[in-house]
Amino acid sequence: ETGVTQTPRHLVMGMTNKKSLKCEQHLGHNAMYWYKQSAKKPLELMFVYSLEERVENNSVPSRFSPECPNSSHLFLHLHTLQPEDSALYLCASSQALATNEQFFGPGTRLTVL
Amino acid sequence: LAKTTQPISMDSYEGQEVNITCSHNNIATNDYITWYQQFPSQGPRFIIQGYKTKVTNEVASLFIPADRKSSTLSLPRVSLSDTAVYYCLVGPKTGANNLFFGTGTRLTVIP
Repeated sequence: ETGVTQTPRHLVMGMTNKKSLKCEQHLGHNAMYWYKQSAKKPLELMFVYSLEERVENNSVPSRFSPECPNSSHLFLHLHTLQPEDSALYLCASSQALATNEQFFGPGTRLTVL
Repeated sequence: LAKTTQPISMDSYEGQEVNITCSHNNIATNDYITWYQQFPSQGPRFIIQGYKTKVTNEVASLFIPADRKSSTLSLPRVSLSDTAVYYCLVGPKTGANNLFFGTGTRLTVIP
């Protein structure tokens, strides 16, 4: 247990569906991150939030929409995804923004049909 | 961020010491070396971090030579549960949002 939880752990959705991924951290951290991990590719940083404010968006398509209502919760809203968006989506948190020690959740395995 | 190079895969028998080397020729003065471990279908887990010489914790040791152009993660007496992908990251301790994980080293521990 890392103190970062993600739900659901597995998600199958069609290209026309709308779904949301949820992340919660119980560590009192101030920064939260979304990463995407595709098969045989390095982790890709998607979004960074610091104290609920988005500080980085790494050229992510608009079909991915993050939301950070407070410093403990992070959501990733999904709509009209493509099959190539199938991947493991990982949430992480860190005590301060942009440190090398990040705590990752178990991830959500997303399959887009 | 400094680029890192590490072996794609390694095999080891249970009970042996495993050393995974990472090359980072372009490491900057303020860069630290950080290692993460990732089990299948789980998020990466921070293992150890160092700047120079040697760092040891309950999980592993990290050896960094004086020129800091490489580093070695040492896992003592591995068990089957150490089968995972190990990532070497190089970057400033703070100030960089993007942790570049690369493709890592897939360690397989054999009974």
